[in-house]
Amino acid sequence: DTEVTQTPKHLVMGMTNKKSLKCEQHMGHRAMYWYKQKAKKPPELMFVYSYEKLSINESVPSRFSPECPNSSLLNLHLHALQPEDSALYLCASSAAGGRVRYNEQFFGPGTRLTVL
Amino acid sequence: GEDVEQSLFLSVREGDSSVINCTYTDSSSTYLYWYKQEPGAGLQLLTYIFSNMDMKQDQRLTVLLNKKDKHLSLRIADTQTGDSAIYFCAESSRGGGFKTIFGAGTRLFVKA
Repeated sequence: DTEVTQTPKHLVMGMTNKKSLKCEQHMGHRAMYWYKQKAKKPPELMFVYSYEKLSINESVPSRFSPECPNSSLLNLHLHALQPEDSALYLCASSAAGGRVRYNEQFFGPGTRLTVL
Repeated sequence: GEDVEQSLFLSVREGDSSVINCTYTDSSSTYLYWYKQEPGAGLQLLTYIFSNMDMKQDQRLTVLLNKKDKHLSLRIADTQTGDSAIYFCAESSRGGGFKTIFGAGTRLFVKA
């Protein structure tokens, strides 16, 4: 199984809502990532978890809160978002952990988020 | 800081070869990657090359690396309409940990 799954596929939320994005992989990968991708732009790294610990936070606003409950699951909790946060949110995983060498990332299909 | 640049658009006829180019600035780049993104989907790794290699071939894909000029190219032989997608060049360095820097992406359009 080389699949990364993400739910929901689409999400529309108001600025006062609280919602969560979910990501799951069963490849035994110990690094998991959240990226944000705006239209016609490359993915921008938000967070990286390594062995269930937050390893990288790219100065993401606190209205985005990541969580890694176990090695297969990654959540992104959303609260008080702004319309400019509307984007495709991609989850990825990789086998790399610790001292990183070749870092092939497997991406999920993404959640298309619209903030009204 | 690190930067990866690509041309934004390429149009070819079906059956022709496509060449997508990329330049990068980080001289400590260890691995260079080509990812493909189809509409509404995530990114899929197509191929990668280690910085001590000049060329890598994988079926219809040929990657050329000119480390002196920090130039990377992806050649797709016998391009098919199913190859229409956005192609991202990316790099990671040993010192960069988990960070992979992506270029802006080249949109390949294949005309039947």
